[in-house]
Amino acid sequence: DAKTTQPNSMESNEEEPVHLPCNHSTISGTDYIHWYRQLPSQGPEYVIHGLTSNVNNRMASLAIAEDRKSSTLILHRATLRDAAVYYCILRDFSGNTPLVFGKGTRLSVIA
Amino acid sequence: DGGITQSPKYLFRKEGQNVTLSCEQNLNHDAMYWYRQDPGQGLRLIYYSQIVNDFQKGDIAEGYSVSREKKESFPLTVTSAQKNPTAFYLCASRYVFGQGNQPQHFGDGTRLSIL
Repeated sequence: DAKTTQPNSMESNEEEPVHLPCNHSTISGTDYIHWYRQLPSQGPEYVIHGLTSNVNNRMASLAIAEDRKSSTLILHRATLRDAAVYYCILRDFSGNTPLVFGKGTRLSVIA
Repeated sequence: DGGITQSPKYLFRKEGQNVTLSCEQNLNHDAMYWYRQDPGQGLRLIYYSQIVNDFQKGDIAEGYSVSREKKESFPLTVTSAQKNPTAFYLCASRYVFGQGNQPQHFGDGTRLSIL
């Protein structure tokens, strides 16, 4: 799977939107973009994924650049419960390889 | 409710002992995975299994062993050959192996410490 680059940490105020960036300049045409998050002392949980078009679900939105070399996870109103490590991961279309986790972005939310 | 159950949540081991971590899933998932996480680090893959009675080594398999005798179960044994076993161990599973858009589901982890 191609590599992703994320900032080590970010900070947000509660109830404000958060934009978490991810660069993946070597993405192939068949790679899905997945986002997971890990709350303290828990296993990661799936947040959202996309291929080419922007995606929305109840947790977040995913904005994918037109050239697909970067993407942004958007939390519309950050809460204290959103404080976690967020991982951006590329997954081959076939899904025949396990997820490869980097260090992710540690998001702090300030009340 | 469907999910992945890891037990125990905390485990202590004396040096020189083997210890087995349990992972059970009732999601009817085909593929199962074991990851290790050290403080402040991302997850590293130990072993994974795509089907029953078959498994592959991940990036850090040395000192670990697994079995996959049933679809629902994928136990991990940390052997005495693993020199630094203290870590947070996470089990995961995934439905329909072979499709990149399927999410991976994780258990709540087992924290292993050496006495």
